[in-house]
Amino acid sequence: KAGVTQTPRYLIKTRGQQVTLSCSPISGHRSVSWYQQTPGQGLQFLFEYFSETQRNKGNFPGRFSGRQFSNSRSEMNVSTLELGDSALYLCASSLDPATNEKLFFGSGTQLSVL
Amino acid sequence: SQKIEQNSEALNIQEGKTATLTCNYTNYSPAYLQWYRQDPGRGPVFLLLIRENEKEKRKERLKVTFDTTLKQSLFHITASQPADSATYLCALDTGANNLFFGTGTRLTVIP
Repeated sequence: KAGVTQTPRYLIKTRGQQVTLSCSPISGHRSVSWYQQTPGQGLQFLFEYFSETQRNKGNFPGRFSGRQFSNSRSEMNVSTLELGDSALYLCASSLDPATNEKLFFGSGTQLSVL
Repeated sequence: SQKIEQNSEALNIQEGKTATLTCNYTNYSPAYLQWYRQDPGRGPVFLLLIRENEKEKRKERLKVTFDTTLKQSLFHITASQPADSATYLCALDTGANNLFFGTGTRLTVIP
């Protein structure tokens, strides 16, 4: 079974631009979560989707948005990029629809904002 | 405010010894607690989950304890090996469909 796939692996953008990151969950997993990881703050929850609906959202500005498609694939978008958005963005999928027990993470997209 | 603290940013131990990592939390009421391993440039990998009504969980050389009175979890790796060198993250789930992660402890096992 293929794992969680995130594309692209690396991305370099400049301030003010926008970016879209993609995540394909493990086949059969319907819950997809997104996290931002930085050296100073660690892993911080962005949002979680299940059956194309956002179930929960972390404490991030509205510039961060996401969506989930009918095949469970998910995208997240960051608009008007700031230097502080440089981070590793991780997507995770989960089999259990009721909880986030046992998340399976992708290798992430390393975003650098110049 | 809510906090998850992992005992130290870095821990060095000799091969063959037991590594003990600590996760303390305040102002959370977790339904369960998870431990993950993360290698450089990779996403975290799930290791163990322990529920609030469980005291201890084991998996091969790994052992996790969970004390909801002390608000603490201990993660042990026995007979440690250089291949165990990685960053270990604890994560709390309050049942609200998101996990709260600690900042991790970077473990180095010295041959």
